[in-house]
Amino acid sequence: GNSVTQMEGPVTLSEEAFLTINCTYTATGYPSLFWYVQYPGEGLQLLLKATKADDKGSNKGFEATYRKETTSFHLEKGSVQVSDSAVYFCALSDNTNAGKSTFGDGTTLTVKP
Amino acid sequence: GAVVSQHPSWVICKSGTSVKIECRSLDFQATTMFWYRQFPKQSLMLMATSNEGSKATYEQGVEKDKFLINHASLTLSTLTVTSAHPEDSSFYICSAMIDGGTDTQYFGPGTRLTVL
Repeated sequence: GNSVTQMEGPVTLSEEAFLTINCTYTATGYPSLFWYVQYPGEGLQLLLKATKADDKGSNKGFEATYRKETTSFHLEKGSVQVSDSAVYFCALSDNTNAGKSTFGDGTTLTVKP
Repeated sequence: GAVVSQHPSWVICKSGTSVKIECRSLDFQATTMFWYRQFPKQSLMLMATSNEGSKATYEQGVEKDKFLINHASLTLSTLTVTSAHPEDSSFYICSAMIDGGTDTQYFGPGTRLTVL
């Protein structure tokens, strides 16, 4: 079956540091890949997505590239801010599975001033 | 666009009572919605897929008689936790997919249920 493995947290960075959160996946077929962000006490917000190999998703300074050869979708940001502190979830959606998504365990990011 | 709301945002109830949580797609139609449960500091656990006009599809291990799902219109799905007990206390999140759209899920803000 499908699975998503995320880098374990928590991750603590200083403001303006470079961020990488690793995500690898296992899936049958050709899944779409997503990064969601969850702020305390809230639901998930779509951060970015990629639907095919070599696609790069980007939003709010965050980027992730769909790497089929390494089955990865690592999240990066060049300069984090305190407001980026949240939990980040990597997920995949397999079109053969009625739209269901498989989520990673989440990585908590704390950015200190 | 693609806004999903949940109501209530939090609820406290006594053990043995039933609680209904609503999930609405505000600006799009959604034949398919999903209900998740999230424990503190953990990932989302898919409970069921809600399909408008048909029975929900429950994940293995989820009691369908305890977690009743009704998807009566293209913009509304409800989750009713029947005879709630303290172990049902959790954060419940719904998501919806846009009819005719991509496989992106749009999430509601979640409902915090506390059963005393």
